[in-house]
Amino acid sequence: QSALTQPASVSGSPGQSITISCTGTSSDVGIYNYVSWYQQHPGKVPKLIIYDVSKRPSGVSNRFSGSKSGNTASLTISGLQAEDEADYYCNSYTDSSTWVFGGGTKLTVL
Amino acid sequence: QLQLQESGPGLVKPSQTLFLTCTVSGGSISSSTYHWGWIRQPPGKGLEWIGSMYYSGSTYYNPSLKSRVTISADMSKNQFSLKVSSVTAADTAVYYCARRLSSSSSVDYWGQGTLVTVSS
Repeated sequence: QSALTQPASVSGSPGQSITISCTGTSSDVGIYNYVSWYQQHPGKVPKLIIYDVSKRPSGVSNRFSGSKSGNTASLTISGLQAEDEADYYCNSYTDSSTWVFGGGTKLTVL
Repeated sequence: QLQLQESGPGLVKPSQTLFLTCTVSGGSISSSTYHWGWIRQPPGKGLEWIGSMYYSGSTYYNPSLKSRVTISADMSKNQFSLKVSSVTAADTAVYYCARRLSSSSSVDYWGQGTLVTVSS
């Protein structure tokens, strides 16, 4: 299975909105609503921020939102804050009953 | 509060077998509500799903690692384990154990991670 495709880096200024894409195939993202997103600060454990495409765990800011269209899932962060600077990973279920991660996106808050 | 803790050698020689254990407290790995699995992250690189298990004994593995990986459980100790055989330097990574809600993509609890270095 191939890793999901994410941009290597994105950037934005405080207060702005950014979107990170996660492109898969008709064998994973395209046919299941089992896509999740994780935020990872340097040296820290990944943290779940979105699951099942667009659901937000308790305690996660509503500035984080998720969506999906076809084979591409997206994570949008609105009202960017300095603390949002981190690496972000998407994850999807596949038709082989396995899971696959994206390569990760480094978010820089300018 | 659920806690997961990885344990095992931090250094493994090439061609040998890596063995890690995840001890779960505050919850039961015998629950039908969750899957339990392993994820790794080579230094400076991204996350890689290794595999997972269900209380029924079902296991699921990353196709690229399947021939070398085994995940098993000791229900009496509330632990599950990872075995990776014939390791090379490419297996050097931080290894995380984690819990996923069944019928969901939610990996909501992670261990702190343990660095395993493959080197002679």
